[in-house]
Amino acid sequence: KAGVTQTPRYLIKTRGQQVTLSCSPISGHRSVSWYQQTPGQGLQFLFEYFSETQRNKGNFPGRFSGRQFSNSRSEMNVSTLELGDSALYLCASSTTGGADTGELFFGEGSRLTVL
Amino acid sequence: DQQVKQNSPSLSVQEGRISILNCDYTNSMFDYFLWYKKYPAEGPTFLISISSIKDKNEDGRFTVFLNKSAKHLSLHIVPSQPGDSAVYFCAASDRGGGGADGLTFGKGTHLIIQP
Repeated sequence: KAGVTQTPRYLIKTRGQQVTLSCSPISGHRSVSWYQQTPGQGLQFLFEYFSETQRNKGNFPGRFSGRQFSNSRSEMNVSTLELGDSALYLCASSTTGGADTGELFFGEGSRLTVL
Repeated sequence: DQQVKQNSPSLSVQEGRISILNCDYTNSMFDYFLWYKKYPAEGPTFLISISSIKDKNEDGRFTVFLNKSAKHLSLHIVPSQPGDSAVYFCAASDRGGGGADGLTFGKGTHLIIQP
């Protein structure tokens, strides 16, 4: 069973640009969550999608957005990039998204560097 | 305000001894707790979880203890092995929120197992 796949793995952008990251969940998983990992803040929840609908959103500015497609694949977009957006962006999938399913399955992440 | 706190950024333990990783939380609505393990260049992987109706959950070398009155949980690894060297994230969820809420993660503790 293929795991969660994130692309691209690494990318470098400059301030003011925008970026789109992609996540393909495990087959059969309908929930996709996005997290930002930085050394100072750990893992912070961005948003969660289930059946193409955003169900939950973390405390991030509107520059951060996402969507989910009918095949459960998800994209997140960050516009007007700032230096502080440099981070590892992790995508996680699960069957229902509920924590009581026990586990989220994480991808390897997309490492974004903003210069 | 950090709702899940891992106050030790790093911990060094000798191989074969017990590793104890600690986690404190402030939100009394949290009722489900998980530990994730992360190796460099990989996404976090689920390790063990505990519901608030329990005070202990064991899985092989890993045991998680929950003290609800103190809002504290700990992960014990016995005996510690070199492959346990990783960053460990404590996470908490309020399932009573209805639907799938994003997990709230701590900042992580880097466990180093010394030979």
